[in-house]
Amino acid sequence: GAVVSQHPSRVICKSGTSVKIECRSLDFQATTMFWYRQFPKQSLMLMATSNEGSKATYEQGVEKDKFLINHASLTLSTLTVTSAHPEDSSFYICSAAPGGLSTDTQYFGPGTRLTVL
Amino acid sequence: SQELEQSPQSLIVQEGKNLTINCTSSKTLYGLYWYKQKYGEGLIFLMMLQKGGEEKSHEKITAKLDEKKQQSSLHITASQPSHAGIYLCGADRNQGGKLIFGQGTELSVKP
Repeated sequence: GAVVSQHPSRVICKSGTSVKIECRSLDFQATTMFWYRQFPKQSLMLMATSNEGSKATYEQGVEKDKFLINHASLTLSTLTVTSAHPEDSSFYICSAAPGGLSTDTQYFGPGTRLTVL
Repeated sequence: SQELEQSPQSLIVQEGKNLTINCTSSKTLYGLYWYKQKYGEGLIFLMMLQKGGEEKSHEKITAKLDEKKQQSSLHITASQPSHAGIYLCGADRNQGGKLIFGQGTELSVKP
């Protein structure tokens, strides 16, 4: 299947700092990528849709100024957690579909575990 | 309330036994995905079902989507320790590509 990578796989930061997470589609182009968050022992929750060349769309309850998304190219989307706090500690996963939305399989990255001290 | 209900939440089976995991929605789904996840890792794509009544198989795993496209089952035949993990069903509600997920089923296979 298609490959999606994320970097870093783990990050530990101090409260108040910002953290950038990268999501790359390695062998296909993706005009749309999705960012999910998963708390321990819980399922994935969609945070936002990242659109190449335009603004991201955020799900209800997700602060767009706190979770900055940039989709600068067809193979890269970044999620920046600004002024991180301990409650932002979570597992962040991105996904992308090679053939576009809904008609093709969505492949997920390996995830990034964020720990905010 | 959870839009996608998975059952059971956890399952322990003896190696070699068959098992079934269910995923139910109160609304019609446009795409139903099954993924496997090991704790702290990404999701491994298993299968996607789109048509009512569709059934797909890969190795010892079979997934079905009912005619109304509201319920799916994942069946594992002759389970092995390598099948252990968390199984998640995900669904595309409106053809927009946004997936909602069930709460997951944690499977343990005893050798």
